Amino acid sequence: DGGITQSPKYLFRKEGQNVTLSCEQNLNHDAMYWYRQDPGQGLRLIYYSQIVNDFQKGDIAEGYSVSREKKESFPLTVTSAQKNPTAFYLCASSANSYTDTQYFGPGTRLTVL
Amino acid sequence: AQKITQTQPGMFVQEKEAVTLDCTYDTSDQSYGLFWYKQPSSGEMIFLIYQGSYDEQNATEGRYSLNFQKARKSANLVISASQLGDSAMYFCAMSTRTDSWGKLQFGAGTQVVVTP
Repeated sequence: DGGITQSPKYLFRKEGQNVTLSCEQNLNHDAMYWYRQDPGQGLRLIYYSQIVNDFQKGDIAEGYSVSREKKESFPLTVTSAQKNPTAFYLCASSANSYTDTQYFGPGTRLTVL
Repeated sequence: AQKITQTQPGMFVQEKEAVTLDCTYDTSDQSYGLFWYKQPSSGEMIFLIYQGSYDEQNATEGRYSLNFQKARKSANLVISASQLGDSAMYFCAMSTRTDSWGKLQFGAGTQVVVTP
């Protein structure tokens, strides 16, 4: 089945630790995206990548880093520099045009203890 | 800068009735796409319907239709014959050709609760 997988579903982290969220897609999409969602709010774009080995900052990139070494994979690292990392993180992919639908993974809920 | 506004934070609707969710947008770009997503309590974002800025007819997908009024910059979602499974958060989103390919701007969402 084609789709987007994210792991883990739930993640707990101690303050000061870096943590990496996984995102994999087998839809053969060029573009991939990371969003953050806080309770009762819409989604905000963290980073996006339109092609392998290239990515751009979104609206709230500070404290996050990404890599895009393979077309299928777009991992997100939440660093210790992110001041308020507890949130729901959603990964998406699309065929890389403003008219193309973004399809989302199931999300990872990160809690900092 | 582009912006999406959803003015209804929450609403109740009776099963089998229709419901309209409001969405207005603001962009100076002539080329853009409008999307509606559903987010149930599980958290996953489910794509519902798409309307392109040059589409002359309103989009429809099963029980979902998009009431697109370009001059008013309005893209309301209509859900006909509501079902209990329609209870969820609904988000309106927009992408424009000039503001980065595929980058989506989301509204704050509308919580819909369908009652028996």
